[in-house]
Amino acid sequence: GAGVSQSPSNKVTEKGKDVELRCDPISGHTALYWYRQRLGQGLEFLIYFQGNSAPDKSGLPSDRFSAERTGESVSTLTIQRTQQEDSAVYLCASSLVSRAADTQYFGPGTRLTVL
Amino acid sequence: DAKTTQPPSMDCAEGRAANLPCNHSTISGNEYVYWYRQIHSQGPQYIIHGLKNNETNEMASLIITEDRKSSTLILPHATLRDTAVYYCIVRERSNTGKLIFGQGTTLQVKP
Repeated sequence: GAGVSQSPSNKVTEKGKDVELRCDPISGHTALYWYRQRLGQGLEFLIYFQGNSAPDKSGLPSDRFSAERTGESVSTLTIQRTQQEDSAVYLCASSLVSRAADTQYFGPGTRLTVL
Repeated sequence: DAKTTQPPSMDCAEGRAANLPCNHSTISGNEYVYWYRQIHSQGPQYIIHGLKNNETNEMASLIITEDRKSSTLILPHATLRDTAVYYCIVRERSNTGKLIFGQGTTLQVKP
């Protein structure tokens, strides 16, 4: 079946502009995660959605970052007033339910470059 | 979640077994050991996970010591396409499910 998809694959923007990144999880997956990976670094957790529960936003680096999820489907990560330090690959993952023995499946990521 | 320690890099000859170690000396009884890998410019890929028993799937084997303080991921016949960064992650059953990635081990498979 189809995996996690993300769009756009690449985004170049100017400092100060807003950007929206989209994630389509695997159908039926109730949990959805956003991570960020700066060049040469490991992944940083940003936000997590599970069903109708309040999202875990503990990883969002500032109030310029927000995310929404419509039901158990598409999610959008929005970065307002982008800064150069926001340049990174933004990765989305989904899993069937959030349990320790569950597997997260990752999308290919969106490479964001802020000039 | 328990912290893990991995060597920063390893080399392996093509066709030979690659053995990637991970220390997790502070692991608790309900924490699983997960392995993911990230091939250049791609999203991370799940490999295998286990709690206390050794596990094997079509990609790899996971050997966990009896005291669970360390584990080894084994790729039985490494190919050039196995060149990637390998992440060992321990995760508690009751947490939110987010994965905490360290720096991982960069495995270079050489012809």
